[in-house]
Amino acid sequence: EVQLLEAGGGLVRPGGSLRLSCAASGFIFSSYDMSWIRQAPGKGLEWVSVITGSGGGTNYADSVKGRFTISRDNSKKTVYLQMNSLRVDDTAVYYCVKDFNWGDSPWGQGTLVTVSS
Amino acid sequence: DVVLTQSPLSLPVTLGQPASISCRSSQSLVYSDGNTFLHWFQLRPGQSPRRLIYQTSKRDSGVPDRFSGSGSGTDFTLKISRVEAEDVGVYYCMQGTYWPPTFGGGTKVEIK
Repeated sequence: EVQLLEAGGGLVRPGGSLRLSCAASGFIFSSYDMSWIRQAPGKGLEWVSVITGSGGGTNYADSVKGRFTISRDNSKKTVYLQMNSLRVDDTAVYYCVKDFNWGDSPWGQGTLVTVSS
Repeated sequence: DVVLTQSPLSLPVTLGQPASISCRSSQSLVYSDGNTFLHWFQLRPGQSPRRLIYQTSKRDSGVPDRFSGSGSGTDFTLKISRVEAEDVGVYYCMQGTYWPPTFGGGTKVEIK
């Protein structure tokens, strides 16, 4: 059974940094792209970033490009999102998602990031 | 970026009656390999998002068969054959054919 467990959220001041992690189990982790998707309070869903199975390829939404960095450690079956220069509008629940274009892609419980002074 | 336009914005339905949500794309979502990466998600209050349908019409594991997806090219539909109380929430379509992946604006399903 595919399981994803996000962690690392919290309260941070504007301009601060936070590192999210997502521990995966139940599938061959290194074979799948992993994405981060977020939902701001009262708003819709927004794709944030993706990393290929090998970790050799990454892509970012324009809204986070240059501030966020996605990475993965396949030996630990974990994907990370390093978030720097955080802004108030980065406040959201962040979810990691396994290869959203194909089957067997349940979501975890997410981790809440609150950026506020 | 690909724009997905959902309608209606709000959908009041009677329990046991059918419901239908439309998702229109600004360009064809057929990928070069022939697959169409259009998916549907359900957001229930206080819960994580749940994907219901992937690649237009494939139902995810555990999703009740009252949910079905159809469509092609730029026009897609999510149907609920008989709405139940637990179906209340916001439904989003999403395309994964082009970068960046994008979501529709959402349709709020509520009970009359």
